[in-house]
Amino acid sequence: GENVEQHPSTLSVQEGDSAVIKCTYSDSASNYFPWYKQELGKRPQLIIDIRSNVGEKKDQRIAVTLNKTAKHFSLHITETQPEDSAVYFCAASTSNFGNEKLTFGTGTRLTIIP
Amino acid sequence: KAGVTQTPRYLIKTRGQQVTLSCSPISGHRSVSWYQQTPGQGLQFLFEYFSETQRNKGNFPGRFSGRQFSNSRSEMNVSTLELGDSALYLCASSQARTSGLQETQYFGPGTRLLVL
Repeated sequence: GENVEQHPSTLSVQEGDSAVIKCTYSDSASNYFPWYKQELGKRPQLIIDIRSNVGEKKDQRIAVTLNKTAKHFSLHITETQPEDSAVYFCAASTSNFGNEKLTFGTGTRLTIIP
Repeated sequence: KAGVTQTPRYLIKTRGQQVTLSCSPISGHRSVSWYQQTPGQGLQFLFEYFSETQRNKGNFPGRFSGRQFSNSRSEMNVSTLELGDSALYLCASSQARTSGLQETQYFGPGTRLLVL
């Protein structure tokens, strides 16, 4: 089955600087890669996702890049703010009708230092 | 639209008991997935239901089961509880349109289960 590795497990960044979180996946058939943000005591919330037919996607300060050949994808947060502090999870899925299973990475605890 | 809701939010049980958790998906969403979240194992997929049928199952023992009703609401049941079942149980719903593409999964707030 699919295996997703995520690094680093913790990341501290000065406010205003950029943060990068990286994930690798094992199943070359995976073609959907969402990122979720989970604040303490709250539910995971989707912040951005990318499909395998796209190499990069941006949404304001957040971007995701995908390298299908190397089987890795990354989350980039620019101009970080204190409210970006949370645990971030990457996930992968083989997107076809009948498969709604997400395999998650182990999470990255991001701390923004004011 | 109202988001995904889960009941109860907190549960305390003792070993050997059984528990039933409930999940109401976003209106119009037909797929409900269940995940177990623990500090040690992270987010792990339990199973997914669509049109009252289990389509996918993760690597959990048979003590974990679920079902989905005609209104897409779902329940999961854990029998013969063990200490290691203490976790946050999250459900997520998605539209699961016939296009075949993975749809966004929206999570509920979770049910925190403590087994003593």
